[in-house]
Amino acid sequence: SQKIEQNSEALNIQEGKTATLTCNYTNYSPAYLQWYRQDPGRGPVFLLLIRENEKEKRKERLKVTFDTTLKQSLFHITASQPADSATYLCALTNSGNTPLVFGKGTRLSVIA
Amino acid sequence: NAGVTQTPKFQVLKTGQSMTLQCAQDMNHEYMSWYRQDPGMGLRLIHYSVGAGITDQGEVPNGYNVSRSTTEDFPLRLLSAAPSQTSVYFCASRLLSTGTYEQYFGPGTRLTVT
Repeated sequence: SQKIEQNSEALNIQEGKTATLTCNYTNYSPAYLQWYRQDPGRGPVFLLLIRENEKEKRKERLKVTFDTTLKQSLFHITASQPADSATYLCALTNSGNTPLVFGKGTRLSVIA
Repeated sequence: NAGVTQTPKFQVLKTGQSMTLQCAQDMNHEYMSWYRQDPGMGLRLIHYSVGAGITDQGEVPNGYNVSRSTTEDFPLRLLSAAPSQTSVYFCASRLLSTGTYEQYFGPGTRLTVT
């Protein structure tokens, strides 16, 4: 069956460092991979989408890579700030009509 | 735009009661879906719809019904509530026609079944 794993349940880093979160998947050939941010008590918010034919995508301090050979995506937050503390979710889909399948998320804490 | 709205925000039910969780979006999105989120389990898909009159089951559909009579609304019905349905429920929508695939979520409904 399809499986999406996010490397760790929780990650603590120092302010100013780069946070790197990992998303691995098996038994899946996604066309699109997305990252979402979720704050406590709120719904997830879309951050970035990367397509299977793209290696890397950037948006301000965020960078996402997508390696379809390794079946892995890396999500980087550079110059991290305490305001970046949240749970980050990886999500996959084959096409626009098919449902998004989510990983369980990684809770990031940025310590000042 | 209000985006995706959900009511109620909180609900307590007794085992065996039925209720409807409301979801509405004002962005003219074709695709709508319902997820439940439990500690340690992540977001799991209950039902989804690619347009008015079309619904399909997700990963955990048992005990839930949906209908999609309009583009805007996608209510989730609990037929006979069970303690295992205690969870936070999220409704989400996205546009299919432009290929952006960004999904918008509502604020969630926290349901407790006693």
